[in-house]
Amino acid sequence: GQNIDQPTEMTATEGAIVQINCTYQTSGFNGLFWYQQHAGEAPTFLSYNVLDGLEEKGRFSSFLSRSKGYSYLLLKELQMKDSASYLCAAMDSNYQLIWGAGTKLIIKP
Amino acid sequence: GAVVSQHPSWVICKSGTSVKIECRSLDFQATTMFWYRQFPKQSLMLMATSNEGSKATYEQGVEKDKFLINHASLTLSTLTVTSAHPEDSSFYICSARGLADYEQYFGPGTRLTVT
Repeated sequence: GQNIDQPTEMTATEGAIVQINCTYQTSGFNGLFWYQQHAGEAPTFLSYNVLDGLEEKGRFSSFLSRSKGYSYLLLKELQMKDSASYLCAAMDSNYQLIWGAGTKLIIKP
Repeated sequence: GAVVSQHPSWVICKSGTSVKIECRSLDFQATTMFWYRQFPKQSLMLMATSNEGSKATYEQGVEKDKFLINHASLTLSTLTVTSAHPEDSSFYICSARGLADYEQYFGPGTRLTVT
């Protein structure tokens, strides 16, 4: 079956670094997405990885290892506004997104 | 670019009535549109996938006669919740994808409350 695993909740301190892990099992693979979702709002796109390695975009970076079925989202210099849920989603061979349950990130001052 | 709108952003209706939610791609042609439902503190749940001009494909457990989806054009899809009940109260989100695109662009969501 298809499955995405990510931690339910994480807590970090303002100004620090946090890494949110995601493992996936899909029928075929066409890339790994990370989305940010603030409470009561729709998800917004953060990153897309289809090749192994690290993609850096400002304070956010995303890493993918296809052989391990593993990705992580790295957030640096955390700000209070980064408090949100972070959704990992893998695209299968039919180009459908398989969603994780999301990781709620709590930032403390 | 790649903006998706939803209307209404929130709606309150009485039990037994029907509600229509519109999803529009404003600056691109959406060959595929997705409808999601999200209950409080839960992740997105895909309800159905619709391709322009064809019938929607519903996920297991989603009643197609209750949640009517129409994707009549490349820029518009509608979700009609028929005979709504309080348990249908949820956050409904659509997303759209272009033909040569891998990314799904999300609308802002519609919060439905059934009293």
